[in-house]
Amino acid sequence: DGGITQSPKYLFRKEGQNVTLSCEQNLNHDAMYWYRQDPGQGLRLIYYSQIVNDFQKGDIAEGYSVSREKKESFPLTVTSAQKNPTAFYLCASSNGPSGQPQHFGDGTRLSIL
Amino acid sequence: GENVEQHPSTLSVQEGDSAVIKCTYSDSASNYFPWYKQELGKRPQLIIDIRSNVGEKKDQRIAVTLNKTAKHFSLHITETQPEDSAVYFCAAPRSGGYNKLIFGAGTRLAVHP
Repeated sequence: DGGITQSPKYLFRKEGQNVTLSCEQNLNHDAMYWYRQDPGQGLRLIYYSQIVNDFQKGDIAEGYSVSREKKESFPLTVTSAQKNPTAFYLCASSNGPSGQPQHFGDGTRLSIL
Repeated sequence: GENVEQHPSTLSVQEGDSAVIKCTYSDSASNYFPWYKQELGKRPQLIIDIRSNVGEKKDQRIAVTLNKTAKHFSLHITETQPEDSAVYFCAAPRSGGYNKLIFGAGTRLAVHP
């Protein structure tokens, strides 16, 4: 869906470095989500946000942080505490409280230098 | 706890054959079941979804069936084509609202000409 933009497409992290992945949506969706996908595996929830200035931990939040200062934006920071950050990171958004489809961005592939 | 089991993990068919992927969920209160298709290195894309008030939904060559009693739902692809080759994920709602989803581990479908 062209309404969700993730950047950069590829990102390399040096040991001890924090990196931030960008996610912007123009779908006017209230909820936004971050997932991690490892090779050959499914999607695991890192963080999610229902409204501005509110976000909740998902299943694998350790070593990650987020902010939701604007409805359109939900950046994810991969901190140095995340010892195995190499993965494909997907941002999604959805409308409504429940029973609505999530729409995904094109993803960011993060690797360790 | 919440869980979505997806089978098979890999599926190989000849062009023109049908393919069936099955998922089982644990939360009997679940009421929305989307299916996503993910091509290599790309975003998951919603291909069909079903709500708990119907037992079957069709969209051209794709259909989804839901058995609430048994707590399972299936994706059926008829007259498969090489471009159907991808990884398919089922999902079901998670408890706690916010339109959170829990995803199956995925099925890698290969359609051979």
